[in-house]
Amino acid sequence: GAGVSQSPRYKVTKRGQDVALRCDPISGHVSLYWYRQALGQGPEFLTYFNYEAQQDKSGLPNDRFSAERPEGSISTLTIQRTEQRDSAMYRCASSSLTGELFFGEGSRLTVL
Amino acid sequence: GQNIDQPTEMTATEGAIVQINCTYQTSGFNGLFWYQQHAGEAPTFLSYNVLDGLEEKGRFSSFLSRSKGYSYLLLKELQMKDSASYLCVLNDYKLSFGAGTTVTVRA
Repeated sequence: GAGVSQSPRYKVTKRGQDVALRCDPISGHVSLYWYRQALGQGPEFLTYFNYEAQQDKSGLPNDRFSAERPEGSISTLTIQRTEQRDSAMYRCASSSLTGELFFGEGSRLTVL
Repeated sequence: GQNIDQPTEMTATEGAIVQINCTYQTSGFNGLFWYQQHAGEAPTFLSYNVLDGLEEKGRFSSFLSRSKGYSYLLLKELQMKDSASYLCVLNDYKLSFGAGTTVTVRA
């Protein structure tokens, strides 16, 4: 697509539910990144992919968080058994070989 | 992770110049980005330094010194629309962000 697209833009869920956040990167971009951003803070690295391979997942907070990019394009970040502390803006970005990141509009997750 | 330090807030007057400093500690990186982020929006690319020295792009300039572990973003002829957060980003393999500097431009 023309830009990075994320869905849903807003998600409100109850504690204990699973959520899946989707990212559709710019067509042809090799690298895809997931970040989490708290209010007033810079984006915090979660994980990234080159093509379909997950290169680093060291930023994922715990094993309730997982991500996949099975065909090297669309990616899904899944949070199982959500907790209130998971509430944040989740941002996806993709990059070309130059490394410049292009961000989506983000998915605002609220866990009640 | 990387240690990236930048001031939390800066205030300046319309038409003035502001310099945002960024210091970092890292074992290696390809280059350093600066991103702008307006409240409630996604970060957008401003500049990228690979080599030491100054990169100028219109009203914005960015400087890098690898030996000193230091970069700055210079904003000239400030406009009200420049009020935003400015993020220093190391191009290591995972693109590490600083916490951002909130710049407020006053009339």
